[in-house]
Amino acid sequence: NAGVMQNPRHLVRRRGQEARLRCSPMKGHSHVYWYRQLPEEGLKFMVYLQKENIIDESGMPKERFSAEFPKEGPSILRIQQVVRGDSAAYFCASSLDRGVDNEQFFGPGTRLTVL
Amino acid sequence: LAKTTQPISMDSYEGQEVNITCSHNNIATNDYITWYQQFPSQGPRFIIQGYKTKVTNEVASLFIPADRKSSTLSLPRVSLSDTAVYYCLTVEFNAGNMLTFGGGTRLMVKP
Repeated sequence: NAGVMQNPRHLVRRRGQEARLRCSPMKGHSHVYWYRQLPEEGLKFMVYLQKENIIDESGMPKERFSAEFPKEGPSILRIQQVVRGDSAAYFCASSLDRGVDNEQFFGPGTRLTVL
Repeated sequence: LAKTTQPISMDSYEGQEVNITCSHNNIATNDYITWYQQFPSQGPRFIIQGYKTKVTNEVASLFIPADRKSSTLSLPRVSLSDTAVYYCLTVEFNAGNMLTFGGGTRLMVKP
């Protein structure tokens, strides 16, 4: 049973380009979460999705950032017109259901570097 | 904002027991206390979770006093591979699972 998969593991973009980060949840998991981690800091929640629906996007910047979790395929975090401040590690997690007794399993992360 | 406070860093030696205490003075009735471990260049990994008293699994123990305003993660006989950042979180039962991470405690285990 493969864990949460993210790709690419490393992504380099120039300012103004678009970044697309992919996350395949664990088999059977329909709840996906995206977090951002700046160097030497803890993870910050961005968005929570459940198959085709955005449940909570309170941590997502209002502009340039979007997320989706289509019926088929991985969840995508999209960052348009990237800026240097977007450089960070982006982690995806998945869970079987919502609730405190449903553990979130994290992927290895995508490290985005904006030149 | 993180709802927990924990030491920024700790040092230990192989074979010792390590106790990391976390303060959560404003913990809500429905909140559980959860600890995650993160190695460099990896995603966090769940360690243990509890509501009150003591919880033990194959990796660690979690001690929670009656007032639940603090908790202590206990790692028995640490090894070099336990060097990591340890995050203490409070998680609301049946909430949307938004995890709020603080700065964590950087544990350095020395030979």
